[in-house]
Amino acid sequence: NAGVMQNPRHLVRRRGQEARLRCSPMKGHSHVYWYRQLPEEGLKFMVYLQKENIIDESGMPKERFSAEFPKEGPSILRIQQVVRGDSAAYFCASSPNRVEETQYFGPGTRLLVL
Amino acid sequence: AQTVTQSQPEMSVQEAETVTLSCTYDTSENNYYLFWYKQPPSRQMILVIRQEAYKQQNATENRFSVNFQKAAKSFSLKISDSQLGDTAMYFCAFMKNNDMRFGAGTRLTVKP
Repeated sequence: NAGVMQNPRHLVRRRGQEARLRCSPMKGHSHVYWYRQLPEEGLKFMVYLQKENIIDESGMPKERFSAEFPKEGPSILRIQQVVRGDSAAYFCASSPNRVEETQYFGPGTRLLVL
Repeated sequence: AQTVTQSQPEMSVQEAETVTLSCTYDTSENNYYLFWYKQPPSRQMILVIRQEAYKQQNATENRFSVNFQKAAKSFSLKISDSQLGDTAMYFCAFMKNNDMRFGAGTRLTVKP
């Protein structure tokens, strides 16, 4: 049973470009969470999705950021018109189709905006 | 909103000794979950231990154990027989209704 997979592991973008981060949850998991970690800080919640639904996006900036978890395929975190302040590690986690279950994390995507 | 506080930004311990990392949290909830995650230099987030608030018994996982004090809203992690591979950032986390909040982390260094 493969763990949570994220790709790319490293992503370099210039200011104004778009960044697409992908997350494939563990097999059997239908809940996906995205977190952002700035250097020397803890993880900050961004968004919580189930298949085809955004459950909680209270931690996600209102502009330039969007997330989806389609019926087929991975979850996508999309950042439009990136700025240097978007440079961070973005972690995806997944949990089974039950509440209050442990979240298992992927290896993260390190985004660097030049 | 729930907050999680880790008051020790950095700690060090000699190999084979015991170290305790502190964590406090603020919540008005009665049922919730608490976690410790480890983030080694690879930056992978690894689950160390989990505690259900409705359980009085402290969780243990091999060399890792917690001291859960619900009334005091305290959730410390004890690492026994520290190993060099335990060197990492350790994050305490609170979860309610799939909403997880992390502390700022404690950087632990195990010295040979």
